[in-house]
Amino acid sequence: QVQLQESGPGLVKPSETLSLTCTVSGGSISSNYWSWIRQPPGRGLEWIGYVYYTGSTNYNPSLKSRVTISVDTSKNQFSLQLRSVTAADTAVYYCAREGLGYYFYIDVWGKGTTVTVSS
Amino acid sequence: AIQLTQSPSSLSASVGDRVTITCRASQGISSALAWYQQKPGKAPRLLIYDASSLESGVSSRFSGSASGTDFTLTINSLQPEDFATYYCQQSNTYPRTFGPGTKVDIK
Repeated sequence: QVQLQESGPGLVKPSETLSLTCTVSGGSISSNYWSWIRQPPGRGLEWIGYVYYTGSTNYNPSLKSRVTISVDTSKNQFSLQLRSVTAADTAVYYCAREGLGYYFYIDVWGKGTTVTVSS
Repeated sequence: AIQLTQSPSSLSASVGDRVTITCRASQGISSALAWYQQKPGKAPRLLIYDASSLESGVSSRFSGSASGTDFTLTINSLQPEDFATYYCQQSNTYPRTFGPGTKVDIK
């Protein structure tokens, strides 16, 4: 079955860019929508955005000015860039697949990677 | 964005209890609602989608229902492995939004 694995730095300095990659295994990235979701320590879940294999994207308006999500179909990977980070961006970042049913529910999640923003 | 509220925010229950969690949407979302279970240090796990459809491999102790903009997750005969935080999430529109969560712990 499809599995997702996040990778990237666990520590990012304030004002810099957070960059994460999600590798898709056990299936092709060339279908479904591929998303990033984050969870600050002790808090709830926030959807960041998705990329479709064609490269089309949709972002949460709350983060849209700072976010870019891209896809590399040759590597079966998709990536997140979050610019100008602050301590408020410290969170566990999950990559996920939106692919179940008519409404494209989030049905597969990566294990998550912790990113801390600190100098 | 569509807002989701959950009640209660936490509850204490015993093994064997029946537990009910409610999620209310700020506007109509048809049946486009999912429920997730999250245990500490783990990713969320999809339990219910389309408000009442059981995800493959999920115990039939879990069930969901809908009435207008109100949605309910019911856990029958609570088991030790069910102690976790539960989130609702709407997939009717973007941005996807989640409820704030309901923590179920042991009485």
